[in-house]
Amino acid sequence: DAKTTQPPSMDCAEGRAANLPCNHSTISGNEYVYWYRQIHSQGPQYIIHGLKNNETNEMASLIITEDRKSSTLILPHATLRDTAVYYCIVRVALSGAGSYQLTFGKGTKLSVIP
Amino acid sequence: SQTIHQWPATLVQPVGSPLSLECTVEGTSNPNLYWYRQAAGRGLQLLFYSVGIGQISSEVPQNLSASRPQDRQFILSSKKLLLSDSGFYLCAWRVASTDTQYFGPGTRLTVL
Repeated sequence: DAKTTQPPSMDCAEGRAANLPCNHSTISGNEYVYWYRQIHSQGPQYIIHGLKNNETNEMASLIITEDRKSSTLILPHATLRDTAVYYCIVRVALSGAGSYQLTFGKGTKLSVIP
Repeated sequence: SQTIHQWPATLVQPVGSPLSLECTVEGTSNPNLYWYRQAAGRGLQLLFYSVGIGQISSEVPQNLSASRPQDRQFILSSKKLLLSDSGFYLCAWRVASTDTQYFGPGTRLTVL
């Protein structure tokens, strides 16, 4: 299973871009990179995912390096409500058809500062 | 749109008591359903998943069991709770045609 490595914490000024890095050097060719976040005492919230190409949606952008060994989640204009733990996850296939596991590590605690 | 519900939101139970946590999904059919547990300060641990009614797969041997009596209902149970069962229990769903899991609000269980 591909492991991910993230810094334990980061700070970002309100209104600035938050760039959250993730290393996944053992990722295999058919594994996707997912990003979720978890605000205190709530369930994780899906943000974005990608395989090879950069992706963008209404919440964030995902930049994946050409060798796929690392990626960066970008929140273009961070707000106080973006304060959360951000998880970078590589999809792992479960045994049996029709399902798969998301392995959550410890993530990066992002603090958005006024 | 799809919605996932969990109840109760919080629960305090004595050691040795039974447990039943319920999860229901609205707005979708035949979802894959998951139970995770998050212990304090730790990542999420997958406990069970289900690809259909009556079909349960267990990922970690433990004091818990799961059942799926209806298409959009997933239940987590225990006959006798242990102190180590304390944690934040999350239900998630995934439509088979997508790769994304969506999580419910969670149940915070404290076993005393």
